[in-house]
Amino acid sequence: GEDVEQSLFLSVREGDSSVINCTYTDSSSTYLYWYKQEPGAGLQLLTYIFSNMDMKQDQRLTVLLNKKDKHLSLRIADTQTGDSAIYFCAEGKAAGNKLTFGGGTRVLVKP
Amino acid sequence: DTEVTQTPKHLVMGMTNKKSLKCEQHMGHRAMYWYKQKAKKPPELMFVYSYEKLSINESVPSRFSPECPNSSLLNLHLHALQPEDSALYLCASSQVAGEGQPQHFGDGTRLSIL
Repeated sequence: GEDVEQSLFLSVREGDSSVINCTYTDSSSTYLYWYKQEPGAGLQLLTYIFSNMDMKQDQRLTVLLNKKDKHLSLRIADTQTGDSAIYFCAEGKAAGNKLTFGGGTRVLVKP
Repeated sequence: DTEVTQTPKHLVMGMTNKKSLKCEQHMGHRAMYWYKQKAKKPPELMFVYSYEKLSINESVPSRFSPECPNSSLLNLHLHALQPEDSALYLCASSQVAGEGQPQHFGDGTRLSIL
C-alpha cells in the first residue's frame, strides 16, 4: 500500500473553509509538505511543517500535525474558485531529500 | 510564475527518436530532481543531482539519461522510448539535497510517444 494516503475528492462552496486530510506511515519523516497542482501546471509549494510542530499558519492556510496519529491536515479559509486544484501532501526523508507523495485530493470550489 | 523553467512545454516523438528535455534554475540551488507524473497520479522520483553529481537513480531504465552540465542546468536525454513513457516530466530544485529543503517545481514537459 501507499506510504501516504489522501481522500480523492473534496467539494466546497466558495467562502467556506476546506479541510484536506493526509495520513502517513513513516515516523522518521521530519518534514511534511503541501503542494498544489492546477491543470497543465507543475507543483506549487504551499507550505511545510517540521515534525516537532503541531500547527503552522500562513495567511489563509493552516497546517495541523498530529504526530502520534501520523495525521496531517491543510485548512484553507475563505476558499475561492482559484483554489480549485489537486492538493498533494508529501513526506520528506533526509536521504537525498526524497519526497513520497500521497495520491492527491481534487478540490472543487463551487460558486 | 515558476522560477524553474522547463523546455519544451510539449514534445511528441517516435520510439526511434532522440530528444532532450531541459531544465534551468537561477536560484543558486545545488540540488536538482527529475520526476515522472502519469495522469491522475502523484509525481514519482527518477533522479537526484547534488552539486552536479548524480546521487540517486530510482532504477530508471537506461533509455532515460540525465545530465547536469552546471549548477543551473539539468537535462534529460531520451532515446528509444516506449509508449508507456508518455507522461508529464517535472524538474525541481532545492537549496541542497537535505532534509527540510523545500523543492520548487517547474511546469513540466508533456511528453507523448507515438
